[in-house]
Amino acid sequence: DAKTTQPNSMESNEEEPVHLPCNHSTISGTDYIHWYRQLPSQGPEYVIHGLTSNVNNRMASLAIAEDRKSSTLILHRATLRDAAVYYCILSLIQSAGGTSYGKLTFGQGTILTVHP
Amino acid sequence: DSGVTQTPKHLITATGQRVTLRCSPRSGDLSVYWYQQSLDQGLQFLIQYYNGEERAKGNILERFSAQQFPDLHSELNLSSLELGDSALYFCASTRDKTATDTQYFGPGTRLTVL
Repeated sequence: DAKTTQPNSMESNEEEPVHLPCNHSTISGTDYIHWYRQLPSQGPEYVIHGLTSNVNNRMASLAIAEDRKSSTLILHRATLRDAAVYYCILSLIQSAGGTSYGKLTFGQGTILTVHP
Repeated sequence: DSGVTQTPKHLITATGQRVTLRCSPRSGDLSVYWYQQSLDQGLQFLIQYYNGEERAKGNILERFSAQQFPDLHSELNLSSLELGDSALYFCASTRDKTATDTQYFGPGTRLTVL
């Protein structure tokens, strides 16, 4: 499986933008890039995903490098509620008997601390 | 609230025992994924079911098994429990069977093996 590399931790101040980097130099052409986050004592929560183009949603933006070997999750204005572990994941689409399925392989993620 | 429910929330048992964890997916979702999260291993994919059939297998031990029932709820059975099986177990559900779908995670079951 293609792997991702993220910094162990990052810090930000409230109301400031946060850029969370992810390297995935062995990404294949069919891998989607997903971001999930896990707040303390909760299950992971979907943030955003993309394939080649930059993506925006109400939670965040995803900037994908032209060669797709890296991506950046952007939180435009961090709040205290954004303190979590952020996971950058490549979804691997595999075929079995002609039916495609996929799995997510979580890494260690980036612990984001947001200071008031 | 993701719409995925898991029971029980906490489970304490002894080594050698067997337990069953239950997951109800979001209404309309056909696919269920099981994950194990321990302190040293992080979040590990165990197994996926789609509409009652096993679709993908990850690092699931032979002592563990799962199934998805006609009403689409799923159960994860853990047997001959060892201390190292203590972990958080999450299930997630998606509408379809591919990982490009958003996975909605439940609140997890915390298993403690003494």
